[in-house]
Parts: sequence; C-alpha cells; structure tokens
Amino acid sequence: DGGITQSPKYLFRKEGQNVTLSCEQNLNHDAMYWYRQDPGQGLRLIYYSQIVNDFQKGDIAEGYSVSREKKESFPLTVTSAQKNPTAFYLCASSPLDRGYGYTFGSGTRLTVV
Amino acid sequence: AQSVAQPEDQVNVAEGNPLTVKCTYSVSGNPYLFWYVQYPNRGLQFLLKYITGDNLVKGSYGFEAEFNKSQTSFHLKKPSALVSDSALYFCAVRGGGSYIPTFGRGTSLIVHP
Repeated sequence: DGGITQSPKYLFRKEGQNVTLSCEQNLNHDAMYWYRQDPGQGLRLIYYSQIVNDFQKGDIAEGYSVSREKKESFPLTVTSAQKNPTAFYLCASSPLDRGYGYTFGSGTRLTVV
Repeated sequence: AQSVAQPEDQVNVAEGNPLTVKCTYSVSGNPYLFWYVQYPNRGLQFLLKYITGDNLVKGSYGFEAEFNKSQTSFHLKKPSALVSDSALYFCAVRGGGSYIPTFGRGTSLIVHP
C-alpha cells in the first residue's frame, strides 16, 4: 500500500540536543512538507520541498533544518536553536497539481525533557 | 493573500442529528477547497475537495460540503452524526497562484450519545 511513514512516533529531546525526525513516502509525490501543530494553533508550515535538492522556508523555519536528497525522503532536524520544540510534527506529501490534497503521516510527538 | 476562517472552536451535536462545521475563505481567483479530519494523536486524513463543478461535493464517511461562491463559504455537513465522527476538522484553501494551502485553526466536533 502506498503511504507516508513518520518515525519515531514519540521522541524525547534533552536541552541543547539536535534530533532528526524521519519522513518517507512511496506515493511518488513530488512535493513534501513539514508542519508543526500546537494546541489551538492549527498547522504552521516549517519547510517544504517541490523537487529533490531544493526546499523553501515556511512560516516558522527558525531552529529547524531539512534536506531532500531523495524524492522519497524529507527528514527534519530540530536544532538546539529551537527554544520551544515540544509539539506534534506532521509530514505531508502531494503531487504538484494544486487540485490534489495532501497525504499526511501519522505524526511525531516531540517532548523536551 | 489567502485566508480561511473556522469561526467555531467546538461544535456539539447529538448522535443522529445533522451536523455542520463552518468554513469561510478569502482568496483571489478561483479557490481550491479541502476538508480534513484528525483523530487524536494521528495525522490528518483527506475528506473531500472542491475544485470546480457541482457546488455540493460528497466525500468520505458520509460527509459532504457545499461551496457557496457569493458567501465565500465551504461548510462541511453530514445528515446524521455518529459518535465516531468526534474529531478535529480542518478546512484548507489554495488559490490566487499560491501553491501552498492555508489551513484553518480547526474545529473540534463532539457528538454526544
């Protein structure tokens, strides 16, 4: 079955530590996205990529980094510069056609300990 | 610029009664409109979309949405609510040349037995 896989489901980060969230899709979608979800704030776009080896900042990119070395993969690194990283992180993918909706992964819940 | 508003943070309805979750939008040009549902600790799932054509769009799980261009609305509806419909619902819009959709803040639907 085609889909989008995020791992791990739960992640704990110590202060000053970088962590990487994995996102893999086998839908052959060109575009991939990372969103952050906080209670009552909806979805906020962190980064997106429409093509391999290229990506753009979203609304809240500070303290995050991404790479897109393969079409199937779009990992997100939460760096120590992100002062409030505790949140639910969602990865999504879509074709480039604007008429298509997103396919979302099941999310990673990151907690600072 | 594009925007979407979900004016109700929470909607309460009794099982078996009809439900409506409201969404209004602002966009230049023709809108591409989407509804998603999110269950606790899960990613969002696509429900339905409006691109063009009939104003009444049917989607998954018995949901439908009505596009109203004059009122710039795209309300989500279901004739008979189920307890299992209880979830968080997001409206999203793409338009005016913007590739990235804008999501609403979400509406929590609670269906009481």
